[in-house]
Amino acid sequence: GQQVMQIPQYQHVQEGEDFTTYCNSSTTLSNIQWYKQRPGGHPVFLIQLVKSGEVKKQKRLTFQFGEAKKNSSLHITATQTTDVGTYFCSYTDKLIFGTGTRLQVFP
Amino acid sequence: DSGVTQTPKHLITATGQRVTLRCSPRSGDLSVYWYQQSLDQGLQFLIQYYNGEERAKGNILERFSAQQFPDLHSELNLSSLELGDSALYFCASSVEPGMNTEAFFGQGTRLTVV
Repeated sequence: GQQVMQIPQYQHVQEGEDFTTYCNSSTTLSNIQWYKQRPGGHPVFLIQLVKSGEVKKQKRLTFQFGEAKKNSSLHITATQTTDVGTYFCSYTDKLIFGTGTRLQVFP
Repeated sequence: DSGVTQTPKHLITATGQRVTLRCSPRSGDLSVYWYQQSLDQGLQFLIQYYNGEERAKGNILERFSAQQFPDLHSELNLSSLELGDSALYFCASSVEPGMNTEAFFGQGTRLTVV
């Protein structure tokens, strides 16, 4: 069956450092969504990627969808303490989530 | 406020008991999803409904069941509860099933089985 791995599982960074999380699939994805869950909160939609090689930016966040549509990445430039949380990718129309990457930012 | 309402927010119950979690989707959303999130774990997909019909099932235990009513609210029933069922249960809704629209999550119901 389809398997999607999200790496790393945890990432601790100093405020101001960059951060990247990856979502890797064993099969081609039709599209992918990214969500963020703050500690104690609920997941919140960030973005959806549909096209091969697509790149989208939201302020300090850059999202990419691989050319083969088997992987995706979320990159945060110059992290801030407000970026703390767990970032999930989501795939298939059942809205199944990857394992998530927990980001901790130290001031 | 996502527009998705889950009740109750907290629930403490004993092993062997049965509970019902309720979810009211955003106005206009036809699809409802249920997830289980254990402490510091990921989001485990349980089940999805669309316009009253079951559309997809994940790793939902036989002790768990759900339904979506004509007014589109949904209930998740958990029976013969075990300590391991303690978790945060999220409901999400979207306009349509599939990946073309974003999903909105409720605040969750925290279930503690003692």
